[in-house]
Amino acid sequence: KQEVTQIPAALSVPEGENLVLNCSFTDSAIYNLQWFRQDPGKGLTSLLLIQSSQREQTSGRLNASLDKSSGRSTLYIAASQPGDSATYLCAVRRNGNQFYFGTGTSLTVIP
Amino acid sequence: GAGVSQSPRYKVAKRGQDVALRCDPISGHVSLFWYQQALGQGPEFLTYFQNEAQLDKSGLPSDRFFAERPEGSVSTLKIQRTQQEDSAVYLCASSLGRASGLGAQYFGPGTRLLVL
Repeated sequence: KQEVTQIPAALSVPEGENLVLNCSFTDSAIYNLQWFRQDPGKGLTSLLLIQSSQREQTSGRLNASLDKSSGRSTLYIAASQPGDSATYLCAVRRNGNQFYFGTGTSLTVIP
Repeated sequence: GAGVSQSPRYKVAKRGQDVALRCDPISGHVSLFWYQQALGQGPEFLTYFQNEAQLDKSGLPSDRFFAERPEGSVSTLKIQRTQQEDSAVYLCASSLGRASGLGAQYFGPGTRLLVL
């Protein structure tokens, strides 16, 4: 079974800082990797999707990278804002229908 | 409505009661997934539909859990004889293509189930 780990579990930074969230997975045979944010009491909002053949994806202040061979992905958030406060989850997809999620990183951006 | 919707948003059930959770995926999305998210954990896969066919139910925790999508759009997750360990948020997601495709998943807001 694919194991997905996210480090750190919680992170608190002052507004304006750049930060990196980490996601690691044990089986490199993946189709894609998706980053989500989850606000308290709400569902998941898709942020970025990286296909297995890609190295990175960018959207606004967010940049996600993928290194399949080492089983790692990072989510880089530039110039963090209080509105970025949420839990960030990564999910990897193996063959078939199975998506495996990490336990998330809880981010707090302090004004 | 452009997104995935779920109802009810909150459900309190007495132990032993049956419950039914509804998911309305994005129109035209072929794939539909159900997940269970315990407090402080990431979502865990329950089952997958491609149109009306349930192709994978390997994540359903027991035979008390049953899901259907009879017309290939709306799906219902039913839990019979609920137990306290069933308390969780149940998330539904849809995706445009088949699971063998490479598209992103779009999630609904979830149903928070509390079994007393």
